Amino acid sequence: GAVVSQHPSRVICKSGTSVKIECRSLDFQATTMFWYRQFPKQSLMLMATSNEGSKATYEQGVEKDKFLINHASLTLSTLTVTSAHPEDSSFYICSAVDSLVRFGSGTRLTVV
Amino acid sequence: QKEVEQDPGPLSVPEGAIVSLNCTYSNSAFQYFMWYRQYSRKGPELLMYTYSSGNKEDGRFTAQVDKSSKYISLFIRDSQPSDSATYLCAMSSNTNAGKSTFGDGTTLTVKP
Repeated sequence: GAVVSQHPSRVICKSGTSVKIECRSLDFQATTMFWYRQFPKQSLMLMATSNEGSKATYEQGVEKDKFLINHASLTLSTLTVTSAHPEDSSFYICSAVDSLVRFGSGTRLTVV
Repeated sequence: QKEVEQDPGPLSVPEGAIVSLNCTYSNSAFQYFMWYRQYSRKGPELLMYTYSSGNKEDGRFTAQVDKSSKYISLFIRDSQPSDSATYLCAMSSNTNAGKSTFGDGTTLTVKP
């Protein structure tokens, strides 16, 4: 069945560096993908909608210059956390829709 | 006020019990109603998916949607220890099925 693959599953980076997270739709094309963030013991919060070939749409309160989204093909969206700080440590999850909403397995980012 | 309110947990039940998980919502535009199961440090896994009002059954799981009351439920029959996880309700509108609003989750523990 349709799968959304997310990579890496875990990443630890130093404060001030940038981290790229990839989200791929396998076996289906996704003109739109979604990026969520989940803090410990909290629910998923939508960060942005990634649109193939155009700019992403960010939710209120999400810094677009800090969370760079690129959706260069119909099967790949990337989220880059720039100049990461410890408060950016979180679980980042992407999703895409074929007939149903499919979630990636998530990326646990730890900024030290 | 949040758009989606989920009964807080945690919930602890003995094996074999019937579990009821509930969410209420305020946005009348929601048409898609989903229940996800999330194990620790993993991405959410879609359990049940319902469009508009009604009931849907899949094995030991039954999802109910009452749009007139803006209330949805997930019932788990003959609960098993492997059902122990966090359950998230999620909803989206007709115009953007992939852009979901999540409840805060209910953590369920089924004791053998």
